[in-house]
Amino acid sequence: DAEITQSPRHKITETGRQVTLACHQTWNHNNMFWYRQDLGHGLRLIHYSYGVQDTNKGEVSDGYSVSRSNTEDLPLTLESAASSQTSVYFCASSEGTGTDTQYFGPGTRLTVL
Amino acid sequence: QKEVEQDPGPLSVPEGAIVSLNCTYSNSAFQYFMWYRQYSRKGPELLMYTYSSGNKEDGRFTAQVDKSSKYISLFIRDSQPSDSATYLCAMSPSNRDDKIIFGKGTRLHILP
Repeated sequence: DAEITQSPRHKITETGRQVTLACHQTWNHNNMFWYRQDLGHGLRLIHYSYGVQDTNKGEVSDGYSVSRSNTEDLPLTLESAASSQTSVYFCASSEGTGTDTQYFGPGTRLTVL
Repeated sequence: QKEVEQDPGPLSVPEGAIVSLNCTYSNSAFQYFMWYRQYSRKGPELLMYTYSSGNKEDGRFTAQVDKSSKYISLFIRDSQPSDSATYLCAMSPSNRDDKIIFGKGTRLHILP
């Protein structure tokens, strides 16, 4: 069955370190998204991609970067982790450019000490 | 005023009751409306998707949109303990996924 996976599921890191969160989907979807979910804020879009080599900034992109070298993967990099980036991160994918069903991964819980 | 307002709950109801979950919004440009269900420690999953005003029914779930009042609702009939989750409303002014605004979610507990 097609799926979307994230790794690691839990990560503890220190302030200033570079961290990369992996997202892999096997639906062959064009669109991929990264969100963060915090108490009191709901889901907020960090970065998104509508195809290979395409990346775009979302609402809360400062301190994050992504790259899309193939259809299946969209890794999220925190260049220099900050305590404000402690959050649960969700990757999602969807098929087309319309408001199709977004399929979410299980999430990565990141703690920055 | 936030773009999308949703009561965080928790909302506790007995099994078998009808549940009503609601969101209000301020942006009259929103045209696409969604409800997601999120179980603890899991990612959200799409439950209902509607365009513009009106009702949509899917099994025990009914989504209702009132654009004149800027108010959307999700009704769950014959609620089950397995319906216990956080419900997120979401909406977008266009059919672009990157324009979706999510509510903060309402925690729902169905008591056996």
